[in-house]
Amino acid sequence: DTGVSQNPRHKITKRGQNVTFRCDPISEHNRLYWYRQTLGQGPEFLTYFQNEAQLEKSRLLSDRFSAERPKGSFSTLEIQRTEQGDSAMYLCASSPPGTVNSGANVLTFGAGSRLTVL
Amino acid sequence: AQKITQTQPGMFVQEKEAVTLDCTYDTSDPSYGLFWYKQPSSGEMIFLIYQGSYDQQNATEGRYSLNFQKARKSANLVISASQLGDSAMYFCAMREFLTGTASKLTFGTGTRLQVTL
Repeated sequence: DTGVSQNPRHKITKRGQNVTFRCDPISEHNRLYWYRQTLGQGPEFLTYFQNEAQLEKSRLLSDRFSAERPKGSFSTLEIQRTEQGDSAMYLCASSPPGTVNSGANVLTFGAGSRLTVL
Repeated sequence: AQKITQTQPGMFVQEKEAVTLDCTYDTSDPSYGLFWYKQPSSGEMIFLIYQGSYDQQNATEGRYSLNFQKARKSANLVISASQLGDSAMYFCAMREFLTGTASKLTFGTGTRLQVTL
């Protein structure tokens, strides 16, 4: 297994367009997370899946954002009607089954998808 | 209030020297975990080390050690024998297990480390 894979790595779009990012987690991992990182900041939590269920969503995830994980494997993050403020790195991470309250539940991150909205 | 504070935007260290990256945190949760991640220019966040709030000893992983001072709410990362490949952004993060959202990692703003010859 080559780790968490994200595509595309870079996306440039015009304001108002829709974009979709895909994340393929480590195959044994049942938990999947999306984070957003803007320039000079640390990553901010967006949403969390356990298998196919979306269990948590941040208030940062406006109505224009939607994330899915239909079969509990890969996930997609779609941004509709993009705005310049959406420009950021979108990071996906996954973690293994087992208790969340444990140091063993370490998130493994992908290399991210960088979005630029013109 | 910021949950994770990293006060050093940038640090320089000479190759083979040790360096300490500061991290302080704020939580009322008695059960929490502290993590350090490295982010090279390629963008991928790489897990380095973990410290649980109930761990009696400071965590160590190879050249990385965590100087955990619970009463001061600090969790500084120490990198010994720095290498050129250590040049990257370093992020401190926390997970609150009881009062917070256990799945959520809260990150600081990071410290950029530059290792020089």
